[in-house]
Amino acid sequence: EAGVAQSPRYKIIEKRQSVAFWCNPISGHATLYWYQQILGQGPKLLIQFQNNGVVDDSQLPKDRFSAERLKGVDSTLKIQPAKLEDSAVYLCASSLGTSEQYFGPGTRLTVT
Amino acid sequence: GENVEQHPSTLSVQEGDSAVIKCTYSDSASNYFPWYKQELGKRPQLIIDIRSNVGEKKDQRIAVTLNKTAKHFSLHITETQPEDSAVYFCAASKGGGATNKLIFGTGTLLAVQP
Repeated sequence: EAGVAQSPRYKIIEKRQSVAFWCNPISGHATLYWYQQILGQGPKLLIQFQNNGVVDDSQLPKDRFSAERLKGVDSTLKIQPAKLEDSAVYLCASSLGTSEQYFGPGTRLTVT
Repeated sequence: GENVEQHPSTLSVQEGDSAVIKCTYSDSASNYFPWYKQELGKRPQLIIDIRSNVGEKKDQRIAVTLNKTAKHFSLHITETQPEDSAVYFCAASKGGGATNKLIFGTGTLLAVQP
């Protein structure tokens, strides 16, 4: 089966600019997650969707980050405006609702 | 808040030796403990997981043990090979409920010297 797809793979922007990431989960996976992985650290959950509803966004910096999953399949994560400390790899993962999560290849964001 | 501590941060072993990575979690309600392997520039991949109703699980050269009383779990890799070199992350969650949020450890860089 196809894995989790993400695009773009790399993005370089200047601080205060906006950026958006896209994720297509494994077909049939109802649960979708966005993680932020700063260099040298473990992934940190930003937001979790169950179908098109938000289950957990307690660690999402809502003043600048937003995410949506309007049709319960694909999802986008947006940062506006970006800060230097947002430089990280943004990982999307999906699951069937059980605990096993499958990760996408990630988007490496560099904010200069 | 929820926290997972992981040790050591780096581990170097000779090919054929065993490697052990240890994690401690803070939330006693955690009941699912996966281990992920992440090669440089690649996605984390699940290598083994354990649920709180068992104390040990083995898959070929990889095993995980869980001590619920002490709230710690460990990854054991035997007969290490150069291709085992990667960053390993432990994680914990209260899986099975509405929120399957994984809390990750800080990672262990394993280097297997040929």
